[in-house]
Order: sequence, then structure tokens, then C-alpha cells
Amino acid sequence: EAQVTQNPRYLITVTGKKLTVTCSQNMNHEYMSWYRQDPGLGLRQIYYSMNVEVTDKGDVPEGYKVSRKEKRNFPLILESPSPNQTSLYFCASSWAGTGSYGYTFGSGTRLTVV
Amino acid sequence: KQEVTQIPAALSVPEGENLVLNCSFTDSAIYNLQWFRQDPGKGLTSLLLIQSSQREQTSGRLNASLDKSSGRSTLYIAASQPGDSATYLCAVVKETSGSRLTFGEGTQLTVNP
Repeated sequence: EAQVTQNPRYLITVTGKKLTVTCSQNMNHEYMSWYRQDPGLGLRQIYYSMNVEVTDKGDVPEGYKVSRKEKRNFPLILESPSPNQTSLYFCASSWAGTGSYGYTFGSGTRLTVV
Repeated sequence: KQEVTQIPAALSVPEGENLVLNCSFTDSAIYNLQWFRQDPGKGLTSLLLIQSSQREQTSGRLNASLDKSSGRSTLYIAASQPGDSATYLCAVVKETSGSRLTFGEGTQLTVNP
């Protein structure tokens, strides 16, 4: 089944403790990105990757890191999480980052930072 | 700056009713518009993708239209069912944003049995 898989689905952590949210897609998509969803603010892009080893900032990149060493994986790293990073996170992928193709989203990761 | 607005924010209808969800966007220079469905605590499921050159797309009981010049799209749901209850999001890819999806806040739909 073609899908984007995120792990974990739920995570509660403490301020300052480094964490990684994994994202993997099995569709050979070139383009991958991360979004966060907050009440009243909607979905906002954090980072995106046009292909392996090519990443760039989205609208709200502060406090996050990403890497794209393999085509299928695009982990989101929070080096020192803070409570304002409590949110619902989504990974998405597409054939190419040209805007011509639709996007497939993962099931989401609900992160709580206390 | 591209803004996407969805009206209404919430909608409650009896089962069997036909309904229309609205989406408007301020910048008409878009590559495409995509409608998603989001169930509580779950991810986004793609419903329909309309390219900027297209006027509408259909899938089962769903029909989405796009009027790029006026910056509007509608999602028509025929013969609604309780299983259609969810939040519906529209998102556009702006020509100058490369690949970023700009989302509306969504319409929360409840279909009552």
C-alpha cells in the first residue's frame, strides 16, 4: 500500500530533551515536507526537501532540523524542544516539488512538550 | 501573501442532504488546488486535486470545481452520509511558492443520522 508512515503517533517529552520524529514513504517520491497544525493557525510548513541532500526552510523552521540522506526518509529533529512546539505534526510527500502533483500525508504525530 | 478562506467554519446537516463547501484564495496564480479530509486525531486524506487548467474533478459523490480567475473553489457532496462527518480542508500551491501548500482553516462537517 502506498503510504507515508510517521512514528511515533504520540509523544510526550520534557523541555530540552532531543527527539526525532521519523517519516518514511514507499512511493519513490522526490519531494517531502513537514507541517505543523495548531488551532487558529492552521497547517504551516516547517521544512521541505526537493530531493536527496536538498532541504530548505518553510514558514516556521525555528527550533527544527531535518535531513534527507535517503530518498524514502525525512526525519524531523527537535534538538531542544520547548512547550511552544507542542503541536500536531504531519509529513507529506509528492512526486516532485513542482506544484503539479498532489500530496500524500502521513497520519500525524501529536507532540506534547512539558 | 496568499490567503485561503473556507466558509462556513462549521456545518451540520441531516443525512441525505446535498451540500456545498466553499474555498476562496486571494492570489489566482496557482498551480493547483487540493481538497483534503481530516478525521479527528488522524491524518489528511486527499479527496480531489484540480490543476489550474481544469474546471472540475469528480470522485464518487464528490465534485470539486475551480474558478481560478475569481479565486474560488467549491466542494459538492451529494447525498451526504454520517460517515462524511469530518473536517474538510482546501489547499493551494501558489506558482511562486514552489511547492508549499497554503491551507484554509477548514470546514467542520457533521452529518446527522
